[in-house]
Amino acid sequence: AQKITQTQPGMFVQEKEAVTLDCTYDTSDQSYGLFWYKQPSSGEMIFLIYQGSYDEQNATEGRYSLNFQKARKSANLVISASQLGDSAMYFCAMREPSPTGGFKTIFGAGTRLFVKA
Amino acid sequence: GAGVSQSPRYKVAKRGQDVALRCDPISGHVSLFWYQQALGQGPEFLTYFQNEAQLDKSGLPSDRFFAERPEGSVSTLKIQRTQQEDSAVYLCASSHRDRTAAEAFFGQGTRLTVV
Repeated sequence: AQKITQTQPGMFVQEKEAVTLDCTYDTSDQSYGLFWYKQPSSGEMIFLIYQGSYDEQNATEGRYSLNFQKARKSANLVISASQLGDSAMYFCAMREPSPTGGFKTIFGAGTRLFVKA
Repeated sequence: GAGVSQSPRYKVAKRGQDVALRCDPISGHVSLFWYQQALGQGPEFLTYFQNEAQLDKSGLPSDRFFAERPEGSVSTLKIQRTQQEDSAVYLCASSHRDRTAAEAFFGQGTRLTVV
């Protein structure tokens, strides 16, 4: 079963506007972490924002905010004031305890964001 | 070094050849992860180390894949008798804490092409 679902394969946004990238997750654990990463065409994975399962406030990092709705198991990324350099692939990921010890991180299929001038 | 370093950046292997991919994590990072990323897809978890202990190898696709981290720092992912479906980018990531909150820093990846 899919643990991380990103339903938008591609999104377009006008420069300077806000955009929301959707992410839903599935876990039976109480303790988990949710991450968003950006992957430009150059290939590196860039950490954007983190939300812990026990955090009551939504995480924010500059122009990035995470709309965390625990009951709905949703962790949408909001990018405000989009810039041309935001054009990239965006991955939602969840880290949860592994049954064999330690942790494992599961990634979604990604959303490709195109920012239009 | 300042970040996670992977080598080689690019590797072309003939089908049936063995390959070894290296990951130098950030110094002092406890956790180390390997992922496989096929073209246009998200990274798929392969294996996880806490120091030198391989705690989770559930994502390794077959017994041709083997990973080690003998001294709890540098890690090597070995693929034996490579096949075309092994062609992908192999990403390594490390975290400084072994908790769900720890951010993972990724390397640039090794792009493996099996011909």
